[in-house]
Amino acid sequence: DIVMTQTPLSSPVTLGQSASISCRSSQSLVHSDGNTYLSWLQQRPGQPPRLLIYKISNRFSGVPDRFSGSGAGTDFTLKISRVEAEDVGVYYCVQATQFLSFGGGTKVEIK
Amino acid sequence: QVQLQQWGAGLLKPSETLSLTCGVYGGSFSAYYWSWIRQPPGRGLEWIGEINHSGSTNYNPSLKSRITISVDTSKNQFSLKLSSVTAADTAVYYCAGYTTKYWGQGTLVTVSS
Repeated sequence: DIVMTQTPLSSPVTLGQSASISCRSSQSLVHSDGNTYLSWLQQRPGQPPRLLIYKISNRFSGVPDRFSGSGAGTDFTLKISRVEAEDVGVYYCVQATQFLSFGGGTKVEIK
Repeated sequence: QVQLQQWGAGLLKPSETLSLTCGVYGGSFSAYYWSWIRQPPGRGLEWIGEINHSGSTNYNPSLKSRITISVDTSKNQFSLKLSSVTAADTAVYYCAGYTTKYWGQGTLVTVSS
């Protein structure tokens, strides 16, 4: 099983500043087809998760360009630039290279 | 645009069987695996299992003995059954597809005597 580890657990951020979340997998997420199936989800309170980024760095439809993803192999990062009030929520990394497994989540809140 | 709509019983007694169904509207039902995921109150996301249009399944080993996921391709629907539920199975259950691109609205399932 692939274990996903996210840090930090919580990220207080000032409006307009940036937030960065790290995600590490217990083994390489490079699939045999050459793709790396690492995604980032946002979950606002009381709502289902919403896809932000797929295959490391591709923004899903309608996602603001303030959200960006990077990384390779086993280490990945989500960056939120110019944080807005609507960005408050819990962020999860998820791998789909071998079934699905999720990171533990990072709570982004406004200072 | 792909939409997932899920339904099923929200209150169960211990030892009963949880049953949920997810309908897929739009997109290609045959192109992807379709998943069930759950989230206990105040906690993170747990993958339960997945199925494709031909009925091929993969299950979370920790739940495998109690899970059945099935598909009805004539209706573009897939279903989850979880047997012998306990309070530990209380959670919001989600269906999802296209490797988490699309999600159902979630169903809160509470197990209580």
